[in-house]
Amino acid sequence: GENVEQHPSTLSVQEGDSAVIKCTYSDSASNYFPWYKQELGKGPQLIIDIRSNVGEKKDQRIAVTLNKTAKHFSLHITETQPEDSAVYFCAASTTGTYKYIFGTGTRLKVLA
Amino acid sequence: KAGVTQTPRYLIKTRGQQVTLSCSPISGHRSVSWYQQTPGQGLQFLFEYFSETQRNKGNFPGRFSGRQFSNSRSEMNVSTLELGDSALYLCASSLPGGGTGELFFGEGSRLTVL
Repeated sequence: GENVEQHPSTLSVQEGDSAVIKCTYSDSASNYFPWYKQELGKGPQLIIDIRSNVGEKKDQRIAVTLNKTAKHFSLHITETQPEDSAVYFCAASTTGTYKYIFGTGTRLKVLA
Repeated sequence: KAGVTQTPRYLIKTRGQQVTLSCSPISGHRSVSWYQQTPGQGLQFLFEYFSETQRNKGNFPGRFSGRQFSNSRSEMNVSTLELGDSALYLCASSLPGGGTGELFFGEGSRLTVL
């Protein structure tokens, strides 16, 4: 069945360092890959997304890369700050299915 | 612009009872999705509604049901509650379209089943 694997489950980095979270999806028909950030007590919030016709997308300190052949996509956060500490979820979706398959989440801790 | 509103925020039920959760989407959003969030499992898709029609359903037993009203507000119901139903239930709204695009999540309804 459809599945998205996410690694690592927890990640601790020093403030100012980079963080990388990786996801692998199983459904080759997936064409939309968003990343969500969930802070304590809140619902997830979209931080960046990428569509299958694009290999890389960047927004200030955040970037996402997509390798369709390998069915891998990754989130890169540079110059991490304490406010980046949260749980991050990757997801995959296919046009017309109206559902998102989420990874199991990565708890990122940025140490000051 | 008001966000997605979910009620109640917290509730405690006992096994065998039923529960109804409510979701008011962002004004103008006609698609409403529901997800179950549990530790270690991430977010599991329950169902999606658009214009009062369920367009897709996840792999959950029939005890889980939902509906959408003409004003796009949605409810989900869980009957004959089990301990394993304890979770954060998240509602998300989005603009209509091909089914891909930003989901706007509410803060969730945390259900505890004793």
